[in-house]
Amino acid sequence: EVQLVESGGGLVQPGGSLRLSCAASGFTFSSYWMHWVRQAPGKGLVWVSRVNTDGSSTKYADSVKGRFTISRDNARNTLYLQMNSLRAEDTAVYYCARVACGYEGSCYFDYWGQGTLVTVSS
Amino acid sequence: SYELTQPPSVSVSPGQTASITCSADKLGDRYVCWYQQKPGQSPVLVIYASNKRPSGIPERFSGSNSGHTATLTISGTQAMDEADYYCQAWDSDTVVFGGGTKLTVL
Repeated sequence: EVQLVESGGGLVQPGGSLRLSCAASGFTFSSYWMHWVRQAPGKGLVWVSRVNTDGSSTKYADSVKGRFTISRDNARNTLYLQMNSLRAEDTAVYYCARVACGYEGSCYFDYWGQGTLVTVSS
Repeated sequence: SYELTQPPSVSVSPGQTASITCSADKLGDRYVCWYQQKPGQSPVLVIYASNKRPSGIPERFSGSNSGHTATLTISGTQAMDEADYYCQAWDSDTVVFGGGTKLTVL
């Protein structure tokens, strides 16, 4: 059974740092691109970042570029999101999600974690 | 940047057909996915590649995409279908979500 389990969320002051983890199991982690998606309280889904299978290629939303770093450890089957210079507007539930590609190259998020809440407040 | 536009809310009576739209420039040229999210839960994929249904998703869920609009259709809507629905597409190797539509079954 595919499982994605996030951890590392919590309360942090503005300007602070936090590292989120996403432990993967039930599939060959190193074969899949992975993403982080966040959702502010009462708001919609917002894409944050993605990493390719071996970690050599990353991409970020403009709102987090230069402050967040996505990485992965395929030996530990774990995805990370290092968040620095946190702002109040970063407050959200952060989900890790696996991307699968199938029909004619179409890609989609087929599995999501349960999410971890990050609250940025003084 | 590419933007997907959804109506904030849609209401439907039980047993009727619900249609949720997602609009963007030349959206029909891209594949669209749809996710269902119930309160306190993670999103669940209900449609991929614009009109493909993952295993385990009821047949009453269907999708279409043409021109500038993608549509998620729920036939014979049930109370359990009440949720937020998000469309999603890809834009130059990044992901774009619509703002979400709250489906109310009343």
